[in-house]
Amino acid sequence: GAVVSQHPSRVICKSGTSVKIECRSLDFQATTMFWYRQFPKKSLMLMATSNEGSKATYEQGVEKDKFLINHASLTLSTLTVTSAHPEDSSFYICSARDLEQVFGNQPQHFGDGTRLSIL
Amino acid sequence: QKEVEQNSGPLSVPEGAIASLNCTYSDRGSQSFFWYRQYSGKSPELIMSIYSNGDKEDGRFTAQLNKASQYVSLLIRDSQPSDSATYLCAVNSNYQLIWGAGTKLIIKP
Repeated sequence: GAVVSQHPSRVICKSGTSVKIECRSLDFQATTMFWYRQFPKKSLMLMATSNEGSKATYEQGVEKDKFLINHASLTLSTLTVTSAHPEDSSFYICSARDLEQVFGNQPQHFGDGTRLSIL
Repeated sequence: QKEVEQNSGPLSVPEGAIASLNCTYSDRGSQSFFWYRQYSGKSPELIMSIYSNGDKEDGRFTAQLNKASQYVSLLIRDSQPSDSATYLCAVNSNYQLIWGAGTKLIIKP
């Protein structure tokens, strides 16, 4: 159980392109999904918390107009990197937490990540 | 600032030995604690959850929690080369997960 599917797994595109990444919870409902980025040999960095039916909460220093998040249903959240540039190249990972949680104690389950390379 | 601290390593352990990974946290109100394993180039994978003081065993893995001392540890028995990875400690604080930077574990054959 608790499977999170993330697509695409890898994207290579030209500078200026917008890229959409999908995150789906396959066998559970998730009111909250999380978006992380990770640079090589560095720790996870939380970018934003995505809440179903409401605006995402962005971490300090993350541009909300650059990284558009939509969480339209209990099983799907999307991250769109708008007008991507080489410095946006990174490993983007989503995670989701089961709706059936007790006081927010449930763990996050991760997708396989998307490796984004901007040329 | 709520923090989770881990030794970055690398921690080198001979195959077959016990690997011991430690984590300390600052929020005394935290109620849930997780260990994730992350292989290079892959996303984190949940391996253990622990919610109450004491030990929790799952196969070769044992998580230990001491809320009074604010530390949580992970023991890996009979370490295998396939256990070589970065191990991330995560602590739930006000419904958010606070992440440690991870400890890189190397199991030497």
